[in-house]
Amino acid sequence: GAVVSQHPSRVICKSGTSVKIECRSLDFQATTMFWYRQFPKQSLMLMATSNEGSKATYEQGVEKDKFLINHASLTLSTLTVTSAHPEDSSFYICSATDRGPSGYTFGSGTRLTVV
Amino acid sequence: RKEVEQDPGPFNVPEGATVAFNCTYSNSASQSFFWYRQDCRKEPKLLMSVYSSGNEDGRFTAQLNRASQYISLLIRDSKLSDSATYLCVVTSGTGGFKTIFGAGTRLFVKA
Repeated sequence: GAVVSQHPSRVICKSGTSVKIECRSLDFQATTMFWYRQFPKQSLMLMATSNEGSKATYEQGVEKDKFLINHASLTLSTLTVTSAHPEDSSFYICSATDRGPSGYTFGSGTRLTVV
Repeated sequence: RKEVEQDPGPFNVPEGATVAFNCTYSNSASQSFFWYRQDCRKEPKLLMSVYSSGNEDGRFTAQLNRASQYISLLIRDSKLSDSATYLCVVTSGTGGFKTIFGAGTRLFVKA
């Protein structure tokens, strides 16, 4: 089945620094990938839709200059949290679909802690 | 009104019990429906897709009611390992790319 690899799984960074999270589709091409954020005991919230070769589509309330998304190839999308602040600490998950019956496949998630 | 609503629970049931979750959605043009399972601090994993005709996978049965705009998940003979959060997922839009997650229903199965 479809496999999505995400790393790092866990990162701790200092306030003001930037963190890059990678999401790769390992055995299929994903023209579209999705980035979600999940705060403790809350549901997954879609942040943005990443489109290969074009600009990402951000959900309302998500700062595009703060959460930079690059989808340069059919198998790789990156999310960069710029000038991170403690309130950016969250669980970030990417997903992609091969448009088959398996629905959306999720990466294993990245737990970001900003100190 | 939220686009996708679920009872957050928690549902506390004994082993062997049958438990059912419902999920309502507001967009009548929604196209695809899924149930995902999420364990604590882990990524969601697809449990099953939901078809209009209903589908069953072992102890799990999912159904879709388009007229009333809800989907359901039935778990029979609950196991301890079924303890998790169950997320209802609804997609709509061109290519099904607007994906909305329910907030999840927490299930605790106890011995």
